Amino acid sequence: QVQLQESGPGLVKPSETLSLTCTVSGGSIINHYWSWIRQPPGKGLEWIGYIYFTGTTNYNPSLKSRVTISVDTSKNQFSLKLSSVTAADTAVYYCARGGGWWGDWGQGTLVTVSS
Amino acid sequence: QSALTQPASVSGSPGQSITISCTGTSSDVGGYNYVSWYEQHPGKAPKLMIYDVSNRPSGVSNRFSGSKSGNTASLTISGLQAEDEADYYCNSYTSSNTYVFGTGTKVTVL
Repeated sequence: QVQLQESGPGLVKPSETLSLTCTVSGGSIINHYWSWIRQPPGKGLEWIGYIYFTGTTNYNPSLKSRVTISVDTSKNQFSLKLSSVTAADTAVYYCARGGGWWGDWGQGTLVTVSS
Repeated sequence: QSALTQPASVSGSPGQSITISCTGTSSDVGGYNYVSWYEQHPGKAPKLMIYDVSNRPSGVSNRFSGSKSGNTASLTISGLQAEDEADYYCNSYTSSNTYVFGTGTKVTVL
């Protein structure tokens, strides 16, 4: 079964760029969609966007101006960049396999935006 | 895009059946058969329970079932068990080619 693992800084300063990477093991990144989903502490889930292994992307309109999702098939990884972060971007960030429903998830990583 | 509407909480006794609703519009839930449901225990990642309205992934108990009528999708848990106590979220494809989650429902087993 495929496994996903998020990695990246747990603390980001306001106005800076949040950068996370998801490493896929136990399966290939080829021929699949890969997504990022986040959950602010004590709140619900929010879809951030997805990328197909070819590089085609689709983003949440509310985040589109600040989000970039990229894929590195040679490393079996995909990444998230969220620019100009504020405290409202503090959340657990999950990577997941799928574009429209998500059967495999990473454990999640808490990113706090604070100076 | 506004979050889909779910009841904040639903409760039931062991062995009973409960139903969680997920209400959207004709531009999301009502317009497509692309509704999925997720179970989330505290501190854990969500788990897929239902996809494409009523399909159950391999390994998910047949006590979980999904359906849709108009702009409202539903998740039914039959034979409620203590381990079903968790938060549940629905998700739908939208006419904007995006995806939106529901507000979430806390299920309590009395």
